[in-house]
Amino acid sequence: AQSVAQPEDQVNVAEGNPLTVKCTYSVSGNPYLFWYVQYPNRGLQFLLKYITGDNLVKGSYGFEAEFNKSQTSFHLKKPSALVSDSALYFCARNRDDKIIFGKGTRLHILP
Amino acid sequence: NAGVTQTPKFRVLKTGQSMTLLCAQDMNHEYMYWYRQDPGMGLRLIHYSVGEGTTAKGEVPDGYNVSRLKKQNFLLGLESAAPSQTSVYFCASTQQGNSPLHFGNGTRLTVT
Repeated sequence: AQSVAQPEDQVNVAEGNPLTVKCTYSVSGNPYLFWYVQYPNRGLQFLLKYITGDNLVKGSYGFEAEFNKSQTSFHLKKPSALVSDSALYFCARNRDDKIIFGKGTRLHILP
Repeated sequence: NAGVTQTPKFRVLKTGQSMTLLCAQDMNHEYMYWYRQDPGMGLRLIHYSVGEGTTAKGEVPDGYNVSRLKKQNFLLGLESAAPSQTSVYFCASTQQGNSPLHFGNGTRLTVT
């Protein structure tokens, strides 16, 4: 079973609107879940993580994510999108000592 | 503090040639990973290491070998390059499994 799934290849959002980038994970052990962002021609940068505790996790650049155990989801959210948020976003989780990534979602913020 | 450094940044190989990609980290991290990134495929784990002298297979290990002789370095080798290995390769490191990964800036490899 796929460790993490990002069902949307691309998401378009108007600047100033709330954004959501979806991620679901496979039910296996206690997951450590992560979100990373990749800007053009760059490596990946860490945004936030869920290890345990509060289901709402706050991260860098105003992003947050909600861990939902019943829906096995860890969606990335931001209340008000900026054009500079346009990038490629990856969800990831641990599997034993491995860190497995989803296929990525390209976020376009329209001015 | 350089973080994670990958060399080279770009390389063009002919089919059948060999090469080694070097990843160096100066954060004293235990865990190191090699990924490849292809359009529409996300990042796929090639090999990883949980400490000096250890290596393990990831999701797509075929055609690659790795070594971790020193804690700070993780080498990825291609013994006989194939066009299917054309990709962008990323190295990452972390201290433990629940900590964020630190990524290098990538190596763009083209095999003709």
